[in-house]
Amino acid sequence: AQKVTQAQTEISVVEKEDVTLDCVYETRDTTYYLFWYKQPPSGELVFLIRRNSFDEQNEISGRYSWNFQKSTSSFNFTITASQVVDSAVYFCALSEAVDAGNMLTFGGGTRLMVKP
Amino acid sequence: DTEVTQTPKHLVMGMTNKKSLKCEQHMGHRAMYWYKQKAKKPPELMFVYSYEKLSINESVPSRFSPECPNSSLLNLHLHALQPEDSALYLCASSHRQGDYEQYFGPGTRLTVT
Repeated sequence: AQKVTQAQTEISVVEKEDVTLDCVYETRDTTYYLFWYKQPPSGELVFLIRRNSFDEQNEISGRYSWNFQKSTSSFNFTITASQVVDSAVYFCALSEAVDAGNMLTFGGGTRLMVKP
Repeated sequence: DTEVTQTPKHLVMGMTNKKSLKCEQHMGHRAMYWYKQKAKKPPELMFVYSYEKLSINESVPSRFSPECPNSSLLNLHLHALQPEDSALYLCASSHRQGDYEQYFGPGTRLTVT
C-alpha cells in the first residue's frame, strides 16, 4: 500500500529565510507520480509540481525547488527567500501507475507560517 | 486556463434539507473528483467520474449523491446530512483518470446544523 509522510506538521520562519519541507513516501510500484500542492487559507489546493518516478532530475521554478531522491524515497520541497505569501499548508501526494483510479494519497500536510 | 469553479462558497443546511453543490471546468478534462476535507486533515477522495461515468465510490454514505450531467459539470446532491458531515468539499478535474495532475476548485464550506 502506498503511504506519504510529512513529518513536519508546522514550521515557522521569518521572511527571507530558506525553508525545506520534507516528504517521504512508500510504494511497491516502480512507476509512480509525486506531487506537491499548496493550500492557502482560502482553501483551494494549488498544483505546484508533478514528477514521475523515472525522472530524478531536480527542478527549480523561481524561488521553489524540488529534490527527488529515489534512494531515500524522498521528494523534498525548498522555498528560497520565503515571503509572507508563502504561508499555507503544503501537501505532498503520491499516485501509483498501476492504480487506474488515480487515487492521490496525500501526506498529512505541513503548515508553513512566514512571519514578516 | 486551469480554473475549476465551485458554487456556493459557503452553505449552511439543516439535517432535513436537500441541497446541491456544483462544480464546473472548461479545460476539456474528462475526469472529475469530489473530495471531503476536515480541518487540519488532507483531502479524502469521495467519488471519481471518468467520461461522465462513475468510476470510483469510496464507500460514501448514500446521503451524498453525485451526478455528472456532462463533461464540464459535476454535482453533489446532499440529503439528510449529519453534523459530522460539516467540512470543506473540494472538486477537482484532470485530463484523464490516471497519472495526471488534478486541478482543484476553491471548495464549498458546508456546515450542517
